[in-house]
Amino acid sequence: DAGVTQSPTHLIKTRGQHVTLRCSPISGHKSVSWYQQVLGQGPQFIFQYYEKEERGRGNFPDRFSARQFPNYSSELNVNALLLGDSALYLCATSGTDKNIQYFGAGTRLSVL
Amino acid sequence: GDSVTQMEGPVTLSEEAFLTINCTYTATGYPSLFWYVQYPGEGLQLLLKATKADDKGSNKGFEATYRKETTSFHLEKGSVQVSDSAVYFCALSDRGNTGKLIFGQGTTLQVKP
Repeated sequence: DAGVTQSPTHLIKTRGQHVTLRCSPISGHKSVSWYQQVLGQGPQFIFQYYEKEERGRGNFPDRFSARQFPNYSSELNVNALLLGDSALYLCATSGTDKNIQYFGAGTRLSVL
Repeated sequence: GDSVTQMEGPVTLSEEAFLTINCTYTATGYPSLFWYVQYPGEGLQLLLKATKADDKGSNKGFEATYRKETTSFHLEKGSVQVSDSAVYFCALSDRGNTGKLIFGQGTTLQVKP
């Protein structure tokens, strides 16, 4: 079975632009979470979606939004990009045991 | 709020040395505890977990025991290999409806031949 897949792998944007990151979960996984990992730090929780509904939100501004589709894939959107948004964005999915999360390889976003 | 604190790195060891990476947590209730590993250029992989006090998680020679009395979950391995070089993250899950993970800052391990 394929693992969690994220696209694109790398992205370069300029300040003020908008970006959309995508995540496809492991087959059968209905829960998707997004994390931001700044260089040298641990991942920080952004959102969790389950069955297309938002179940949790971390301490991130409203410029960050997400959604989940009927096939359980997900998009993370970030508007009005700032230099500080440069990070590795990780998607994690879980099945029946939501405490066990499987991570994708991430999307490396650079904001110039 | 809930938090995780790890020992600062980097940790540099010779092959076959004993490894300990300290992790302590602050949480309300009884969280599940995890160790994740991140190899260069990759996402996080679950290494081991423990869901209640005195549980011992183990995988690939790594072990960690959930100690409620000291709020700790230290990672140990008896004999490290060069291939163990990576960044190790301790994390807790708040057991809430979200399954949200709270991570420590990570500890870089470098193993030299």
